[in-house]
Amino acid sequence: AQSVTQLDSQVPVFEEAPVELRCNYSSSVSVYLFWYVQYPNQGLQLLLKYLSGSTLVKGINGFEAEFNKSQTSFHLRKPSVHISDTAEYFCAVTSINTGGFKTIFGAGTRLFVKA
Amino acid sequence: ETGVTQSPTHLIKTRGQQVTLRCSSQSGHNTVSWYQQALGQGPQFIFQYYREEENGRGNFPPRFSGLQFPNYSSELNVNALELDDSALYLCASSLELGYGYTFGSGTRLTVV
Repeated sequence: AQSVTQLDSQVPVFEEAPVELRCNYSSSVSVYLFWYVQYPNQGLQLLLKYLSGSTLVKGINGFEAEFNKSQTSFHLRKPSVHISDTAEYFCAVTSINTGGFKTIFGAGTRLFVKA
Repeated sequence: ETGVTQSPTHLIKTRGQQVTLRCSSQSGHNTVSWYQQALGQGPQFIFQYYREEENGRGNFPPRFSGLQFPNYSSELNVNALELDDSALYLCASSLELGYGYTFGSGTRLTVV
């Protein structure tokens, strides 16, 4: 069975500090990996995606993530956060099998950036 | 880009009723997915349509059904509404399978 675990429900961090939001997944088939962000009172927005190729992917707003196949992880990082990065972040995994595509989201990590 | 638009934004229905939620996908996107998001939780995958055929389904009962139309619009139908169906329903479209989704702002369904 496919699952996605976001290891931290909340991450408080000071402005200009680095941050890592952790995501682990399990799947018996090939996957695509995504991070989405949901700002307060807004819809979900795609931050970045890994489909194939280089395991380090860069997204919008200075975020990046690294796919680690052996550890089945896809952690999101940013070297220096801003107040405006305060939001809910969701990791998502799309499994690809003969029955079709199925996308599972994690429960979310609330990033709170303090001044 | 026109984005993904959903209607209505809010809806109140009575237990046992049926509801249809509508979505207009971003132009050119042939894949649409529907999600249920309860308060404080991540979106739960209901199903996905690719070129008007169901392409994947989550762990939702058959009373959740959908349609995708040639003009990139789609519907989510829920029969025999239950109180637990109260949630935010999100529609998301993609240019192709697995490319990543563009989400609408959702329809807030309240079942009383």
